[in-house]
Amino acid sequence: ILNVEQSPQSLHVQEGDSTNFTCSFPSSNFYALHWYRWETAKSPEALFVMTLNGDEKKKGRISATLNTKEGYSYLYIKGSQPEDSATYLCALNYGGSQGNLIFGKGTKLSVKP
Amino acid sequence: NAGVTQTPKFQVLKTGQSMTLQCAQDMNHEYMSWYRQDPGMGLRLIHYSVGAGITDQGEVPNGYNVSRSTTEDFPLRLLSAAPSQTSVYFCASSRFSGQYSGNTIYFGEGSWLTVV
Repeated sequence: ILNVEQSPQSLHVQEGDSTNFTCSFPSSNFYALHWYRWETAKSPEALFVMTLNGDEKKKGRISATLNTKEGYSYLYIKGSQPEDSATYLCALNYGGSQGNLIFGKGTKLSVKP
Repeated sequence: NAGVTQTPKFQVLKTGQSMTLQCAQDMNHEYMSWYRQDPGMGLRLIHYSVGAGITDQGEVPNGYNVSRSTTEDFPLRLLSAAPSQTSVYFCASSRFSGQYSGNTIYFGEGSWLTVV
């Protein structure tokens, strides 16, 4: 059974801090990696879909990098704001049936004003 | 912009009751799926569909049925609810370009189900 690991499980930072978290996956089973931002009672929101080794994507203060050879992706948030508080999910397309995704358990970020 | 719409948002069921969670999307997406979210676990795939008339099982299909009679709708049926089915359920949809694609998946807002 393939496993997608996210660390840390939770993170508490002060407003203005920059932060990052990790998604690890089996490098031999990679086709695409997805990052989502999820606030409770709302739809998980797609941040990035990454497909190429060395990919680096950016959306405002949030960016992500991908290393498919060693099996990890980093998500960075520069200058965290209270509205960044959410759970950040990563999901692996491992080339299985119909491109189904395997999700990590998420990193819960809390940003204190 | 409706996107993916799920109903109901909250539901309490008694053990043994049946119910249907509704899901509709207006993006003409071929691929639709249902996930459940439990504390301390990642989203787990229940059932999925790559087009009208085509459905298949995901990781945790037991106790659930699906059908896909139209492109837009993908209802999830709980046949005889059990407390172990207490969870948050998410419907999702995307374009389908084969198993190796990186298409963005769009989620509904979730349905909170409690089985007592």
